Amino acid sequence: ILNVEQSPQSLHVQEGDSTIFTCSFPSSNFYALHWYRWETAKSPEALFVMTLNGDEKKKGRISATLNTKEGYSYLYIKGSQPEDSATYLCASHTGTASKLTFGTGTRLQVTL
Amino acid sequence: AAGVIQSPRHLIKEKRETATLKCYPIPRHDTVYWYQQGPGQDPQFLISFYEKMQSDKGSIPDRFSAQQFSDYHSELNMSSLELGDSALYFCASSLGSAGGYNEQFFGPGTRLTVL
Repeated sequence: ILNVEQSPQSLHVQEGDSTIFTCSFPSSNFYALHWYRWETAKSPEALFVMTLNGDEKKKGRISATLNTKEGYSYLYIKGSQPEDSATYLCASHTGTASKLTFGTGTRLQVTL
Repeated sequence: AAGVIQSPRHLIKEKRETATLKCYPIPRHDTVYWYQQGPGQDPQFLISFYEKMQSDKGSIPDRFSAQQFSDYHSELNMSSLELGDSALYFCASSLGSAGGYNEQFFGPGTRLTVL
């Protein structure tokens, strides 16, 4: 894989459902993987930064895992709430470059 | 807590005009990044600065230039604007050296519209 790819592109769930998003990234020269939450008309909010293979991070109902050998990360939201509605971006940090390479995001909509 | 400040928030320009976007990083952050997000597209990295020196360069057109000043704020100068330059321009800041994976904090963005 050459670019950062995210799936699904969009997701519409009911309140209380659990969701999983996938981020695939180039595994060569991997440095770090970032997850951001981006609400409309607001700036992206950092959720997690992960660097080590097997890393697992959790913040409330949101958690993420990282597999650097196969180049993927999962973001889980347990018991989705309407306030979770946002676009979830992942971005990879490769080599020694300071830039982030973003995926296209997964747009989540949670309804009552 | 103080966040990244960008100004202006909205800017409308005509083709071939120039525009200057400003970014004020979180206090004590020494690294600034610029990203461009076109309509329906993912953010694309333009350029970054660490300690007032360019640290990384992405898909920034030659018509654009940027710099980081002694107070660590940064300006993105865009000349000979084209319709395709219409986009949301994000600035992010972080604390740490170039090459690190330091967490980047994003500003609210400047929406540039070129008519």
